[in-house]
Amino acid sequence: QVQLVQSGTEVKKPGASVKVSCKASGYIFTSYDINWVRQAPGQGLEWMGWMNPNSGNTGYAQKFLGRVTMTRTTSISTAYMELRTLRFEDTAVYYCARARGGDDYWSGERYFYMDVWGKGTTVTVSS
Amino acid sequence: SYELTQPPSVSVSPGQTASITCSGDKLGDKYACWYQQKPGQSPVVVMYKDNKRPSGIPERFSGSNSGNTATLTISGTQAMDEATYYCQAWDSITAVFGGGTKLTVL
Repeated sequence: QVQLVQSGTEVKKPGASVKVSCKASGYIFTSYDINWVRQAPGQGLEWMGWMNPNSGNTGYAQKFLGRVTMTRTTSISTAYMELRTLRFEDTAVYYCARARGGDDYWSGERYFYMDVWGKGTTVTVSS
Repeated sequence: SYELTQPPSVSVSPGQTASITCSGDKLGDKYACWYQQKPGQSPVVVMYKDNKRPSGIPERFSGSNSGNTATLTISGTQAMDEATYYCQAWDSITAVFGGGTKLTVL
């Protein structure tokens, strides 16, 4: 079955970096974008960015520019999200999600949606 | 930056119709999708491209999007529908989530 398996819980100190992995199975990894979304405790969903596993192209939310990098290793169908210079407020559950959909032929508007999600990786930033 | 606004909470009685709104500037010109998240679980998409239901999502879920507002409607709401619902749209190549609406079935 189609699934995304994420790496385990991380505890980091402020200023450190974290790299979360997301291993895809049950489908062709390079055929669908991977998005990363985080959720701080008791808060809503926050989109961080996307990566095209085929080309390696990425797009990041303005908020994370310069601090986040999304990469992949296609030979093992795994996507990675690295967040640097961690702050207390980066404490959250980080999700990877497969995106399917496309851009509407007539309007050009995109209708990608996240149809498969990992179970999330808890990252705690604590001194 | 683009923003989507949802009411923090909506209550509905079992068997009744619940409507959850999502507002954004000219949202009707974009495509909206909706996610359901239950406590301790990952989100699940329940609607995409405004009004398309993924396989496995019950027919009681429907969606619309016009003007500045997208709406997720749950007809014949069941206790199992109690969850937080998030709308999401794309502003160019940036995804935006609404703040989430907690649906209480009581």
